[in-house]
This record gives sequence, C-alpha cells and structure tokens, in this order.
Amino acid sequence: DGGITQSPKYLFRKEGQNVTLSCEQNLNHDAMYWYRQDPGQGLRLIYYSQIVNDFQKGDIAEGYSVSREKKESFPLTVTSAQKNPTAFYLCASRSGTLTGELFFGEGSRLTVL
Amino acid sequence: GQQVMQIPQYQHVQEGEDFTTYCNSSTTLSNIQWYKQRPGGHPVFLIQLVKSGEVKKQKRLTFQFGEAKKNSSLHITATQTTDVGTYFCAVLLNDYKLSFGAGTTVTVRA
Repeated sequence: DGGITQSPKYLFRKEGQNVTLSCEQNLNHDAMYWYRQDPGQGLRLIYYSQIVNDFQKGDIAEGYSVSREKKESFPLTVTSAQKNPTAFYLCASRSGTLTGELFFGEGSRLTVL
Repeated sequence: GQQVMQIPQYQHVQEGEDFTTYCNSSTTLSNIQWYKQRPGGHPVFLIQLVKSGEVKKQKRLTFQFGEAKKNSSLHITATQTTDVGTYFCAVLLNDYKLSFGAGTTVTVRA
C-alpha cells in the first residue's frame, strides 16, 4: 500500500545522544516535512524539503538536522543541541502542487531520559 | 511561528449539540486546509478551501472560508462520540511551507 512509514514508533534515549528518526514514502511525492507536536501547541514545522538534495528550515530548526539524498527518504536527526527533545515527531509528504494535501506517517514518540 | 490563531483551544460538547471552531489570520490566505487528529493518531486531511466565501459540507461538518480570505470556520452539527479529537487548520505560506494552527481539542459528553 502507498503511504508514509516512520520508524521507530517509540524511542528512548539518554541526554546528550543524537537520535535519527526515519521517514520513507512511496507516494512519489516531491515535498516532505517534519513537524514536532507538544501538548497544547499544535504542530510546529522543523524542516521541509521541496525536492531531492534541497531542504529549508522551518520555525523550530535549531538542534535538528535533515538530509534528502533520495526522493523517498527524509530522515531527521535530533542532536544533543536540542534543549527539549522529548516530543511526538510527525513526518509528512505532499505532491507539491499549490493545493496538495499533507499525508502523515504514524509518528515517532521520542523520550529523552 | 504560527500564522493563524485557532479558537477555542478546547471544546467540551454534549452529545447531540453543535459547535464551531475558528481560524483567523491577519493576512490574506491563498487557501486553507483542515485536518483531524484522533487521540493517539496522526492528522488526517479533511478538506481544502480556496475561493472567497466558499462553503463545503461533509455530512455533519460544514467548512467555510471568509469573504476576505482571512478566516475560516468548521461547524459540526449533532456531535457524536466519533467527533472526538483535535481539529487543525493549516495555511500555505509559500508554495511549500504549510503552517498549522494550535488546534481545537474536542471532547464529547455522552
């Protein structure tokens, strides 16, 4: 089935460790996104990518890094520089047209101990 | 930061009653999208509004885009327990950057 796959679903890490969250899509979408969700704050944009080998910072990019080496993949690394990394992370893709909707993965819940 | 204000943040509704959630922007929007996130789930696209004054219906849900394209509303009639969740509006800031409102979390009293 077509869709977005995020892994892992749950992740526990110690403070100071970098963590990479995986996001793969087989929808042939050009644009991919990472959002962070905290209770009561909605979805905040971390990074987005319009096309392979290109990406832009969103509203809360500090402490995060991404790569887009393949159209299907957009991994997110949560670095030790991110001060409050415990959150629910959502990856999404979009066809890239002006009116395209977002398709979300099931999310990755990161807990830093 | 978020480009749209969404109100109310929480909505507690008696089953069978109606309610409305609103999204407001200080700038003119090209379009607006609405998503629903069930508890423990991920956001799912509901609808997109593009034209000034546009009204679209999905069963008991009515979506409206303001005449000035600066606000939008979602009205749910005869609320059911299946309506529980968080409803988000999202706006396109450029061709690719989609920014979400803070959401309205709906709980239903049976």
